Amino acid sequence: EAGVTQSPTHLIKTRGQQATLRCSPISGHTSVYWYQQALGLGLQFLLWYDEGEERNRGNFPPRFSGRQFPNYSSELNVNALELEDSALYLCASSLGWREGLGANVLTFGAGSRLTVL
Amino acid sequence: SQQGEEDPQALSIQEGENATMNCSYKTSINNLQWYRQNSGRGLVHLILIRSNEREKHSGRLRVTLDTSKKSSSLLITASRAADTASYFCAALNAGNNRKLIWGLGTSLAVNP
Repeated sequence: EAGVTQSPTHLIKTRGQQATLRCSPISGHTSVYWYQQALGLGLQFLLWYDEGEERNRGNFPPRFSGRQFPNYSSELNVNALELEDSALYLCASSLGWREGLGANVLTFGAGSRLTVL
Repeated sequence: SQQGEEDPQALSIQEGENATMNCSYKTSINNLQWYRQNSGRGLVHLILIRSNEREKHSGRLRVTLDTSKKSSSLLITASRAADTASYFCAALNAGNNRKLIWGLGTSLAVNP
């Protein structure tokens, strides 16, 4: 069974540009989560999608946005990139709101490392 | 802040020794989970303990949960060099928002 896959592995952009990161969840998982992990820091929650809808959002500016597609894959977009956006972006998936209620165990991808110059 | 807290921030031990990491949280929880992260990679789920459980074992891992103190500990016994990683706790908020509150992690170095 394929795990959570993220692409690209590495991405280098300059300030002001836009970045798009992609994530495919484990088959059968309908919830997708995005986290930002800056160097040496913990996980900062960005977004949670479940069955195509945004369920929760972390304390990030609106230039961080995303969506979930009908096949449950997801995209994270970061507009107007700033130097401090440089980080490892982790995607995770879990069983959906109904099936996973009470557990919410996450399976993570390997991450996409974004460098903003 | 809803961030969980872990201590120590960093721990360095010799192979064969035990490693203990602690986690505290602030809200009522449904369960508490521990994850491991190898350098610059994704996290891997290790163990989950429910709010009505006090202790759980999985191989060389032992997790305890004290809901009265809002704290948990992870014990790795007979550590190995391959256990070198960062360890994170994540507390699942009770209620419907299913929000995971993450600790800042403990960086464990096991020296051969």
